[in-house]
Amino acid sequence: DQQVKQNSPSLSVQEGRISILNCDYTNSMFDYFLWYKKYPAEGPTFLISISSIKDKNEDGRFTVFLNKSAKHLSLHIVPSQPGDSAVYFCAAIGPGGGNKLTFGTGTQLKVEL
Amino acid sequence: DVKVTQSSRYLVKRTGEKVFLECVQDMDHENMFWYRQDPGLGLRLIYFSYDVKMKEKGDIPEGYSVSREKKERFSLILESASTNQTSMYLCASSSGHNEQFFGPGTRLTVL
Repeated sequence: DQQVKQNSPSLSVQEGRISILNCDYTNSMFDYFLWYKKYPAEGPTFLISISSIKDKNEDGRFTVFLNKSAKHLSLHIVPSQPGDSAVYFCAAIGPGGGNKLTFGTGTQLKVEL
Repeated sequence: DVKVTQSSRYLVKRTGEKVFLECVQDMDHENMFWYRQDPGLGLRLIYFSYDVKMKEKGDIPEGYSVSREKKERFSLILESASTNQTSMYLCASSSGHNEQFFGPGTRLTVL
């Protein structure tokens, strides 16, 4: 049972435009959400996070939006740059100890010149 | 600068071999994790540990075991490697209810 879903395996965007990556979840007990970025042959790196008590968090070119009623979050990258080309994973943490993450399947973003 | 290191970047083993993957973190984190990443499946949790000598099964523990004798070190063991364990293995650590920091990964091929 996939509790965190990224339904778009790939996304292609032109440099300078907005990239929107989407993520849906089914478990209403998740209380913290994160986005990770992964280049080939490297480990994922943390990008941005949001608590379930907020609906928006912004960090430079990256903004994450959370819609709890729809169980949906999105990552906006503006403006997109070629160096943003990578696989993006959303992840969620539920209550309890040890901050076990549940990951989505990832979206491959390609930013074209 | 925080760091999670993994013993090998690339590893090739034969079916039936015992395989050890080592992970070390220098951030004094209490939590450590082992994932595998496969195309179209994302990152799947194999085992994790909240403290020294403690371990918990993740979503896909079958065919794996772990060892955590020291706080900074978390080992993943494949008792008898099989071809379906060919994958990218990622180790991570964290503190409290915060983001996890990942190592560079080990690409394991089982022939």
